[in-house]
Amino acid sequence: AQSVSQHNHHVILSEAASLELGCNYSYGGTVNLFWYVQYPGQHLQLLLKYFSGDPLVKGIKGFEAEFIKSKFSFNLRKPSVQWSDTAEYFCAVNSGNQGGKLIFGQGTELSVKP
Amino acid sequence: DTAVSQTPKYLVTQMGNDKSIKCEQNLGHDTMYWYKQDSKKFLKIMFSYNNKELIINETVPNRFSPKSPDKAHLNLHINSLELGDSAVYFCASSQGVRGTTDTQYFGPGTRLTVL
Repeated sequence: AQSVSQHNHHVILSEAASLELGCNYSYGGTVNLFWYVQYPGQHLQLLLKYFSGDPLVKGIKGFEAEFIKSKFSFNLRKPSVQWSDTAEYFCAVNSGNQGGKLIFGQGTELSVKP
Repeated sequence: DTAVSQTPKYLVTQMGNDKSIKCEQNLGHDTMYWYKQDSKKFLKIMFSYNNKELIINETVPNRFSPKSPDKAHLNLHINSLELGDSAVYFCASSQGVRGTTDTQYFGPGTRLTVL
């Protein structure tokens, strides 16, 4: 069965620090990969997604992620975080034969200190 | 101009009761979903409908029954509520029929507390 693993449960950074959140998935076939963000008190919204082409994907608010097929990874990065990036971050995957079924990771809570 | 809306936002009820959560999307999407987020914030899909047709049905107790009167609405009815049903339930929608690369747009969630 497919699974998604996010290594960091809670990350605490100071403003301007660089961010990298790990995400690994287990599935041998073609996958589509997503990062969603949930700001405090708000609904989930898409940060970025990858389904083909350049494995380095740029999203909103300065976030980017790199798909490394050999490592089954899709890590999220941001060179300089802001206090407003404080949120819960979810990595998710779906595959071509399962419709829109998203498999989510456990989430990583990011706290940015001003 | 809310894209995906859910009602109610909070629901507190006693064990054994029957309750419904409503979801509506005004994006013109063909596919709608229900997800459950547990106390550890783990999100798991429950159901998916495309144009009123059930296409994903995960291992969910029979007490949960989705109903889609039209493609803009997907309601979730829960019978005989149990303590373990306490969670945040999210509705989502996406454009396509199979939607594997489509962005899913999520509602604000309904926090269900069963006492």
